[in-house]
Amino acid sequence: KNQVEQSPQSLIILEGKNCTLQCNYTVSPFSNLRWYKQDTGRGPVSLTIMTFSENTKSNGRYTATLDADTKQSSLHITASQLSDSASYICVVSDLTGGGNKLTFGTGTQLKVEL
Amino acid sequence: NAGVTQTPKFRVLKTGQSMTLLCAQDMNHEYMYWYRQDPGMGLRLIHYSVGEGTTAKGEVPDGYNVSRLKKQNFLLGLESAAPSQTSVYFCASSYSRGQGGVRNTEAFFGQGTRLTVV
Repeated sequence: KNQVEQSPQSLIILEGKNCTLQCNYTVSPFSNLRWYKQDTGRGPVSLTIMTFSENTKSNGRYTATLDADTKQSSLHITASQLSDSASYICVVSDLTGGGNKLTFGTGTQLKVEL
Repeated sequence: NAGVTQTPKFRVLKTGQSMTLLCAQDMNHEYMYWYRQDPGMGLRLIHYSVGEGTTAKGEVPDGYNVSRLKKQNFLLGLESAAPSQTSVYFCASSYSRGQGGVRNTEAFFGQGTRLTVV
């Protein structure tokens, strides 16, 4: 069964600090890996999407890495802001269903405090 | 550009009542999905559609039905609501690989419908 596991479950950091969120997956055959940000009461919004051949991708202060050999990904947030407080969800797509079959992690709940 | 729009945003149902959740997208996406999100769990796929007039079951389809009569709309129906269907429901849409390649299969989500069944 395809699975996506994220750690930590929750994290509290001070504004301005950096943090790294982890994602391990056992999805096969792999198509791509996405990181989404979900604000409370809102739908998930895409941050990055990486295919098998991509090791890193940035979107502003967000940088995602992918190691397809070890089936691990990380999301690094630089110089955190209060608005970064949200749930960050790792999502892996497999090649069945035209690459649109998604397996979701349970998310890391990040809180940024003053 | 509205993206993905869900209606209603909130609803309270009594056990046994029926209702339909509406999802509309204006991005000409082929694929549309319905997910539910419960505390401590990742989003789980209820039903999905790969094009107008076609639907398929996802991971947790029991108790739900769907229809895709028009490309831009995807309806989720609950025929006889149960307390176990209390959840937040998200609709999403995406291109198929044929439309935009694997890189553009990114899914766009609506803002969710919070449903409570009492």
